[in-house]
Amino acid sequence: QVQLVQSGAEVKKPGASVKVSCKASGYTFTGFYIHWVRQAPGQGLEWMGCINPYSGGTNFAQKFQGRVTMTRDTSITTAYMELSSLTSDDAAVYSCARGGDFVRSAFDTWGQGTMITVSS
Amino acid sequence: QSALTQPASVSGSPGQSITISCTGTSSDVGAYNYVSWYQQHPGKAPKLMIYDVSDRPSGVSNRFSGSKSGNTASLTISGLQAEDEADYYCNSYTSTSTRVFGSGTKVTVL
Repeated sequence: QVQLVQSGAEVKKPGASVKVSCKASGYTFTGFYIHWVRQAPGQGLEWMGCINPYSGGTNFAQKFQGRVTMTRDTSITTAYMELSSLTSDDAAVYSCARGGDFVRSAFDTWGQGTMITVSS
Repeated sequence: QSALTQPASVSGSPGQSITISCTGTSSDVGAYNYVSWYQQHPGKAPKLMIYDVSDRPSGVSNRFSGSKSGNTASLTISGLQAEDEADYYCNSYTSTSTRVFGSGTKVTVL
């Protein structure tokens, strides 16, 4: 079955970077976009950006431009999201989600989420 | 890109129908038929309920339906059940090839 399994929770200091992984299985990894979404405690969902695993091409929300990097390793069907210059506002659960073959396609499968804590 | 506007909360009694609105602009909701809706129970991952404005994925109850008029999309839940109590989010594709979520709506079954 289609599955996305993410790396575990992390605690980071302000100013540091964090890299979250998303291991895909059960489908052709290069055929579907991977999106990254975050949710701060008690807040709503926020789309961060997406990566085309086939080409490596990315689209980012303007808010995260210059601070987020999305990559993939097709040999191990894994996508990565790295966020730099962390502040307390970045404390949230970060999730990957499978899209379709276009950026516009809905998110049909989600990872379990990775909690990122930012604390000095 | 600002979040799409949803009511903070909607409530209804079991068996009733409720509708959640999702208002955007002519650069997102109004421009494309790529609006999707997600249900999220506390502590759980979101679940896709509606895609492309009004299509239902396999396995989603036909009590859930979607529509769109102008810059506003809507999700209707008919025959409200206790298990429908959750947070609901809309999402739209935008003219800058990005995506944007709605502010979220808490559905309460009275």
